Amino acid sequence: DTGVSQDPRHKITKRGQNVTFRCDPISEHNRLYWYRQTLGQGPEFLTYFQNEAQLEKSRLLSDRFSAERPKGSFSTLEIQRTEQGDSAMYLCASSRSGQGSTGELFFGEGSRLTVL
Amino acid sequence: GNSVTQMEGPVTLSEEAFLTINCTYTATGYPSLFWYVQYPGEGLQLLLKATKADDKGSNKGFEATYRKETTSFHLEKGSVQVSDSAVYFCALSDRDGGFKTIFGAGTRLFVKA
Repeated sequence: DTGVSQDPRHKITKRGQNVTFRCDPISEHNRLYWYRQTLGQGPEFLTYFQNEAQLEKSRLLSDRFSAERPKGSFSTLEIQRTEQGDSAMYLCASSRSGQGSTGELFFGEGSRLTVL
Repeated sequence: GNSVTQMEGPVTLSEEAFLTINCTYTATGYPSLFWYVQYPGEGLQLLLKATKADDKGSNKGFEATYRKETTSFHLEKGSVQVSDSAVYFCALSDRDGGFKTIFGAGTRLFVKA
């Protein structure tokens, strides 16, 4: 297993277009997280899944954002009608849950979105 | 709600200098505490962690002690190297927070040869 992978690594789009990012977590990890990171800031929590269930979504997250994890494996994050303020690095992370878990996150390298 | 506050950067040091990056937290439960590092051009990775009060996390010469009485988790290294230049993030995760990890804003470290 090579870790968390994200695709695409970089997406440039025009304002108003829809974009979708994909994340493949470490295979034995049942938790999957999406974060957003802008320049000079720490990762900001967006949402997380335990298996296929979306357990929490940030109240700051616009209705234009939706995430799925249909079979409890890979996840997609879709942004509809993109705005310039959506330009950021979108990070995916995974972790184990259960006894002995300490909450350590394993991150992918991120998907950078540029909205023109 | 849970939060993490860390010292603003950038921090610029000469090689072999002593490093401290301060981090304090607010949490309703009993969090696990972490330091993550982001090297230039790379993804975030865990540097060290501590899961209960008075635990000391250590890795690559870095150390941090979980201080419940001062709600702090300061990062230290006795002698920094140029290769330590990176952005360092303090973070916490706990059951009361739904297990999501909350990050500080990050502190950029520059080490000069």
